[in-house]
Amino acid sequence: DVVLLQSGGGLVQPGGSLRLSCAASGFTFSNYAMNWVRQAPGKGLEWVSSISGGGDATYYADSVKGRFTFSRDNSQSMVYLQMISLTVEDTAVYYCAKTSALYQLLSPFDSWGQGSLVTVSS
Amino acid sequence: QSVLTQPPSVSGTPGQRVTISCTGTSSNIGAGYDVHWYQQLPRTAPKLLIYTFNNRPSGVPDRFSGSKSDTSASLVITGLQGEDEADYYCQSYDRSLSGWVFGGGTKLTVL
Repeated sequence: DVVLLQSGGGLVQPGGSLRLSCAASGFTFSNYAMNWVRQAPGKGLEWVSSISGGGDATYYADSVKGRFTFSRDNSQSMVYLQMISLTVEDTAVYYCAKTSALYQLLSPFDSWGQGSLVTVSS
Repeated sequence: QSVLTQPPSVSGTPGQRVTISCTGTSSNIGAGYDVHWYQQLPRTAPKLLIYTFNNRPSGVPDRFSGSKSDTSASLVITGLQGEDEADYYCQSYDRSLSGWVFGGGTKLTVL
């Protein structure tokens, strides 16, 4: 079974940094693109970033571009979201999600992590 | 304001049929990009419900179906059950934004 186990959320002050991690198992990790999606309290889903299976291509929502960095370590089956210059608008539950189709970035997200709460507050 | 527009809420009684719409533009659904639907039960992660307009992952009941027309898509739930009470989101790719976009979500209440 596919499992995505997240870690790294917490409380951070505005302007601070945080790194989220997502450990994957149950599939050939390097063959699949991965994604981050966030959900602000009481709000809908917002796509944050995607990374190709090889890690050589990354894509970001305009709202996080230049502040967030998505990376992966295929030897450890891990993905990371490094977040800097955080603002209160970044407060949300962050989900890592696996893309369903082999080698394809543009395919739906068929497995999701449990979510990591990031709270940006002074 | 979401790029894909969904009604904030819909409701129905057990056994009824409900439809949730998802309206996009020529940059996303109208450009031919696939539409996917997710179900989010309270306090849980989203779950893929329908992909590429009208395909169901293993384990999703055939009471759930999808369709697409021009710049919009729809999720249809027949034989409504209490366990269907959840938030539903549509998703597509937007070529102008060069990224994924979601609808604002629709809360389904089973009366």
